[in-house]
Amino acid sequence: QVQLKESGPGLVQPSQTLSLTCTVSGLSLTSNSVSWIRQPPGKGLEWMGVIWSNGGTDYNSAIKSRLSISRDTSKSQVFLKMNSLQTEDTAMYFCAREKQLRYFDYWGQGVMVTVSS
Amino acid sequence: NIVLTQSPATLSVTPGESVSLSCRASQSISTSIHWYQQKSNESPRLLIKYASQSISGIPSRFSGSGSGTDFTLSINRVESEDFSIYYCQQSYSSLLTFGSGTKLEIK
Repeated sequence: QVQLKESGPGLVQPSQTLSLTCTVSGLSLTSNSVSWIRQPPGKGLEWMGVIWSNGGTDYNSAIKSRLSISRDTSKSQVFLKMNSLQTEDTAMYFCAREKQLRYFDYWGQGVMVTVSS
Repeated sequence: NIVLTQSPATLSVTPGESVSLSCRASQSISTSIHWYQQKSNESPRLLIKYASQSISGIPSRFSGSGSGTDFTLSINRVESEDFSIYYCQQSYSSLLTFGSGTKLEIK
């Protein structure tokens, strides 16, 4: 049974760095890719980036300069780090398995992050 | 960036009606479109992949069609559990994008 679960702080101060963890079970990170997707309150979905099964990464060009995705395959964890947070980064952050043909078939429950002082 | 425009933004229907939701791409994307359902306070659920391919476990009343720039998600005889927001997503470009969503609400 495939499961993904996001964790991290619910509140981050402006200009600080966000660190989130996606813990997966029921699949191996060496043969599966995982993406991060976010959704501001009441708004639509934005793909942020992916870590491929081979460990390579691709990022949304709009946030590429602030974003880093990495993983620890031994712990089945994928990490997101994004710096210089602003209030517009307030959102629900999801991790999802990205199939090779680039759609998402398993999603985590999401973690709400609020950027506020 | 490939922009996906979903219409209508809101669709009010009575349970039992059949509906069609539209997703239009800013350029031709072949059949590289996928559909998701998102219920309130839940994560999205994959309904249809590659415009018309069914997903295991998804009720057969959901179907998809289209190619190029115009795509449709159809729901045959809407049930009460179907009232939610529907998003399309394209995978033609390496920069994946989603539409802004169509909210299906009870009339």
